[in-house]
Amino acid sequence: AQTVTQSQPEMSVQEAETVTLSCTYDTSESDYYLFWYKQPPSRQMILVIRQEAYKQQNATENRFSVNFQKAAKSFSLKISDSQLGDAAMYFCAYRRWQISGTYKYIFGTGTRLKVLA
Amino acid sequence: EPEVTQTPSHQVTQMGQEVILRCVPISNHLYFYWYRQILGQKVEFLVSFYNNEISEKSEIFDDQFSVERPDGSNFTLKIRSTKLEDSAMYFCASSDRAAGYTFGSGTRLTVV
Repeated sequence: AQTVTQSQPEMSVQEAETVTLSCTYDTSESDYYLFWYKQPPSRQMILVIRQEAYKQQNATENRFSVNFQKAAKSFSLKISDSQLGDAAMYFCAYRRWQISGTYKYIFGTGTRLKVLA
Repeated sequence: EPEVTQTPSHQVTQMGQEVILRCVPISNHLYFYWYRQILGQKVEFLVSFYNNEISEKSEIFDDQFSVERPDGSNFTLKIRSTKLEDSAMYFCASSDRAAGYTFGSGTRLTVV
């Protein structure tokens, strides 16, 4: 069974600095997707970035980028030029295809990011 | 940008009562899901739904839970007899085959 591990329950970063959130996963599949979701205090789940496993190039979305190491099963999120609005809980997720034809997401336990002014 | 809409945003119910959580998925999506997040814990899969039937369900999704797509737009989660431990944030999501999920903004269920 797939598992997703986020070993940092909480991280802090100074405003305008860079922070990296770690995520590792375990799978025997070769084709899959990985995601980072942001959950602010409103508890809405907001997609930050996604990575397709068959793509070697790391995904980027503005100030957000990932370091995807497929062999090491590592998928870290880098936030550059951190802003106060980045403060939130961040969840790493693995998307697994199911025989039924639907997808199932497996989430990590989350990392709470604090941004210090 | 298309959204998944969930109502109500917050519901308080007495233990033992039935609740129905409502979701309007994105109109051209065919796959629908419910997830649950107990406060302070990770998001957990409950059920997936495709072609008017459940595709997969987790151990959490016992006989107290049911899902339905009563018309062409709504997707509902019913909890027949709520327990205190059902208090959580419930997220609906929809997807097409290729894309990732779009999550709704969640319904906070409080069982008292």
